[in-house]
Amino acid sequence: DTAVSQTPKYLVTQMGNDKSIKCEQNLGHDTMYWYKQDSKKFLKIMFSYNNKELIINETVPNRFSPKSPDKAHLNLHINSLELGDSAVYFCASSQGRRLYGYTFGSGTRLTVV
Amino acid sequence: AQSVTQLDSHVSVSEGTPVLLRCNYSSSYSPSLFWYVQHPNKGLQLLLKYTSAATLVKGINGFEAEFKKSETSFHLTKPSAHMSDAAEYFCVVSDPILTGGGNKLTFGTGTQLKVEL
Repeated sequence: DTAVSQTPKYLVTQMGNDKSIKCEQNLGHDTMYWYKQDSKKFLKIMFSYNNKELIINETVPNRFSPKSPDKAHLNLHINSLELGDSAVYFCASSQGRRLYGYTFGSGTRLTVV
Repeated sequence: AQSVTQLDSHVSVSEGTPVLLRCNYSSSYSPSLFWYVQHPNKGLQLLLKYTSAATLVKGINGFEAEFKKSETSFHLTKPSAHMSDAAEYFCVVSDPILTGGGNKLTFGTGTQLKVEL
């Protein structure tokens, strides 16, 4: 069983479209995250949710809207996609502030054309 | 806020020779530090972590790192490189999220390790 799973793995779409990436974790963790890896492989946190509550929003354009329907899911919806949104998006989860078991998904490669 | 600096963007070694990937951190208190590896077109895999226990940390695949507070360093080493070690390596520092649960990971800019025959 995959601990943190993201779908889709690859996503190619045109500028201006709206798309969603889904993330699910089966580890029983209470905190979930979205990280973005740009073309230079730099990774930066975008959002964090704890018990379905948003606790970090790192100056991300409001075209990006995370949604956490329950503790096991954190989805990322992106409106009006732009070329600069092309990146790999990683979901992760952890149990509170415990550093053990901070787990990443395998990533979603988004390409905007 | 804490930060990490990876001193080399690219490192090239011959198979069977030692690996040294350098990382320095900036922190106002005792940090939690990690090394992650990312193979081409793959996700992130945790190699090892330091969380204020032993200063010499052993990880997977023969990697280890030593936390040196006096030098604010957390360099990653391996005695003998293997072709399969070719990948991108990230030094990472963790901050607790004070407004809620969880930890925010801050990544270094990465070091691309190339292993040659």
